[in-house]
Amino acid sequence: DAKTTQPPSMDCAEGRAANLPCNHSTISGNEYVYWYRQIHSQGPQYIIHGLKNNETNEMASLIITEDRKSSTLILPHATLRDTAVYYCIVRVALRNTDKLIFGTGTRLQVFP
Amino acid sequence: DAGVIQSPRHEVTEMGQEVTLRCKPISGHNSLFWYRQTMMRGLELLIYFNNNVPIDDSGMPEDRFSAKMPNASFSTLKIQPSEPRDSAVYFCASSRTGGQLDPYEQYFGPGTRLTVT
Repeated sequence: DAKTTQPPSMDCAEGRAANLPCNHSTISGNEYVYWYRQIHSQGPQYIIHGLKNNETNEMASLIITEDRKSSTLILPHATLRDTAVYYCIVRVALRNTDKLIFGTGTRLQVFP
Repeated sequence: DAGVIQSPRHEVTEMGQEVTLRCKPISGHNSLFWYRQTMMRGLELLIYFNNNVPIDDSGMPEDRFSAKMPNASFSTLKIQPSEPRDSAVYFCASSRTGGQLDPYEQYFGPGTRLTVT
């Protein structure tokens, strides 16, 4: 699976949009981009995923560049409860190779 | 659904003792994963099962670690003998998988915090 690069930490004011970048310059055509987050002392939680097109759900939006070498997770109105470590993962969906490899992620601190 | 259930939530044991961690995956999920998280190494995949069969155990640190999945609703991770460096949070996760292009998500349990003194 392709390697991802994320900034180690970011700050965001409550109510503002949080934009978390991820570089995955070696991504292959059949690899998806996944985002998970881990709130302190809890297990990671799925946020969103995408292949080529931008995606949006009730939690966040995922913007993938046209060359697919980078992506941005957007939390449109960050709250204090969004303080967490955010992981960007690329994964090939193949039978019997369904594992996720977590990197170091970005620690997002939302402040009042 | 109750989600992924792990027990115990906290375990404190002495070096050399056997430790058994338990996991009940979400009903209907056919893949189960064991992870270990420490400050130094982050979140590491230890082993995962598909349809109760171990698929990849390359992350299991050494022979002291073993994992079983006797049926679709139960898995154990055993450490024997335990050592202080095994202290970590151990997460179990489950998912429903199938097909080459079937994006999916893993659902994580609350974790077991293991302390070996």
